[in-house]
Amino acid sequence: GENVEQHPSTLSVQEGDSAVIKCTYSDSASNYFPWYKQELGKRPQLIIDIRSNVGEKKDQRIAVTLNKTAKHFSLHITETQPEDSAVYFCAARTDTGGFKTIFGAGTRLFVKA
Amino acid sequence: DVKVTQSSRYLVKRTGEKVFLECVQDMDHENMFWYRQDPGLGLRLIYFSYDVKMKEKGDIPEGYSVSREKKERFSLILESASTNQTSMYLCASRKGPSNTEAFFGQGTRLTVV
Repeated sequence: GENVEQHPSTLSVQEGDSAVIKCTYSDSASNYFPWYKQELGKRPQLIIDIRSNVGEKKDQRIAVTLNKTAKHFSLHITETQPEDSAVYFCAARTDTGGFKTIFGAGTRLFVKA
Repeated sequence: DVKVTQSSRYLVKRTGEKVFLECVQDMDHENMFWYRQDPGLGLRLIYFSYDVKMKEKGDIPEGYSVSREKKERFSLILESASTNQTSMYLCASRKGPSNTEAFFGQGTRLTVV
């Protein structure tokens, strides 16, 4: 079945450094890729998303890149801050054949002050 | 502001009990989802519904059922709770079927003893 793999499972960076989280997906028909941030004890919230007709999208310190050929997409956070500490989930969804969104296992990001 | 509300934040139930988890959204969303979240496994889809009285199995439906009698409410039912169903349960809704953001509830932490 469809699968999304996410790496690393844990990431620790110094404040001000960059953080990169990578995901690969198996369903070549996937065409929508959201990223969610879940702070401790809170609900997941969408932080950025990208559609398959776009290779890169940026929103302030956050950017996402998509390589459809390799079925690979990444989240980049620059100038990290302690409040970026959270669990980040990538996901992949296909328009056709239903409404399922497949999530990665999550990355716990620690930003050390 | 979209609101997805789950009826309980914490629940403790005994093995064999029938458990109801309720989810209500106030934005007239067609699609609603139930996930469980476990460490290292991310978010796994249990059931989803794309309209009233419609339901589809997700990846791990065994031991669960759902009910969608009204558009705003999606209930998850554990027919006979077992200890391996101890988990965090997250409800989500989305205006669908196009590529749009999913909004999550705050989660219900269920412990089965």
